[in-house]
Amino acid sequence: EIVMTQSPPTLSVSSGERAILSCRASQSVTTNLAWYQQKPGQAPRLLIYGASTRAAGIPARFSGSGSGTEFTLTISSLQSEDFAVYYCQQHNDWPLTFGGGTKVEIK
Amino acid sequence: EVQLVESGGGLVQPGGSLRLSCAASGFTFSRHGMHWVRQAPGKGLEYVSGISIGGTTYYANSVKGRFTISRDNSKNTLYLEMGSLRGEDMAVYYCARWNNGMDVWGQGTTVTVSS
Repeated sequence: EIVMTQSPPTLSVSSGERAILSCRASQSVTTNLAWYQQKPGQAPRLLIYGASTRAAGIPARFSGSGSGTEFTLTISSLQSEDFAVYYCQQHNDWPLTFGGGTKVEIK
Repeated sequence: EVQLVESGGGLVQPGGSLRLSCAASGFTFSRHGMHWVRQAPGKGLEYVSGISIGGTTYYANSVKGRFTISRDNSKNTLYLEMGSLRGEDMAVYYCARWNNGMDVWGQGTTVTVSS
């Protein structure tokens, strides 16, 4: 199965600053990559699909890039509601797999 | 309103079985692939199983041979039959709709495996 590795595990950022999260696949997933946000006690929320397309209702401060094995989620100016755990997921091959997550915390 | 509601979680002994259900509403259930994802306490998301529009099934290696996913389009319901349960299966189980990503999630149902 394809292993997804996210870095860093924890990212400490101040409100208003930019956050850059990384996701690496153990083999190419082309652009079949999604990003999710999860807050404590809640189900995950789809942010990005196709590596770079924002899902419905997702603010423009969230952007995704990359292809093949290297991907990035950028939050351009962190808002208080953005502090959460973020997961990448590949859907290029079965079984689908998630990364271990990056927790974005307040600095 | 587009909604997924899981049920069927609970306490089960190691080696036991449980059947989870996911009731869908507010969209055409038969037109979407559906998935189960779980999250152990304090851990990340783990893919469990999926079923396509046509009924093709997919499983994580960790549950293959023990879990069975199915769907009843006449009832707008997704199922997960879980057998030979182990401690590592203890988690919140979410069902999710596939639409260029898992765009709709249920609130989750908790499975506890303990003697």
